[in-house]
Amino acid sequence: DTGVSQNPRHKITKRGQNVTFRCDPISEHNRLYWYRQTLGQGPEFLTYFQNEAQLEKSRLLSDRFSAERPKGSFSTLEIQRTEQGDSAMYLCASSLEVQAFFGQGTRLTVV
Amino acid sequence: QKEVEQNSGPLSVPEGAIASLNCTYSDRGSQSFFWYRQYSGKSPELIMSIYSNGDKEDGRFTAQLNKASQYVSLLIRDSQPSDSATYLCAAPNAGNNRKLIWGLGTSLAVNP
Repeated sequence: DTGVSQNPRHKITKRGQNVTFRCDPISEHNRLYWYRQTLGQGPEFLTYFQNEAQLEKSRLLSDRFSAERPKGSFSTLEIQRTEQGDSAMYLCASSLEVQAFFGQGTRLTVV
Repeated sequence: QKEVEQNSGPLSVPEGAIASLNCTYSDRGSQSFFWYRQYSGKSPELIMSIYSNGDKEDGRFTAQLNKASQYVSLLIRDSQPSDSATYLCAAPNAGNNRKLIWGLGTSLAVNP
């Protein structure tokens, strides 16, 4: 399968714990995006990479969130000291130009 | 504030009918538009893209774009129960990041 891959698919964590998600984009895609989606809402932009450079980070993203894309390939999104409000679907998408393709998402539940 | 707006629905159509989904956008500079289908609990799946005024057909799907009216629509012909999903309209930000600006989605139910 050469699509966007995200791991894990589901994560349940206790409040206050740190979590890390991984995204493997389509191999030739230089753009990578992280979005967050809650029930009944459209995806909410979190951050954007072009190759290995993080070019934009949403102001909605607190300093508990950090993302990396070493070597311009896979990306990780870490949430420190998780809160119940962080419960959501975390979506990764990649693109070469404008058409973005999404991975399966990681559903985070903070209890 | 650049916006994409959709009627949240739910839109209910009988099997075999045409489903019509609509989207308006505020940024006159937007050049491309996308329709994503999202099943409950799943991630968005790109089903149509359109860049020019007029119609674009792909199987049972037709996207229509009217840049003067800042309006884009998706028609689904011969609707099937498997088309029941939320349909999200999106347009990339005009800046270099090309991040997608999303509507809230329209929920479609196709009744057998």
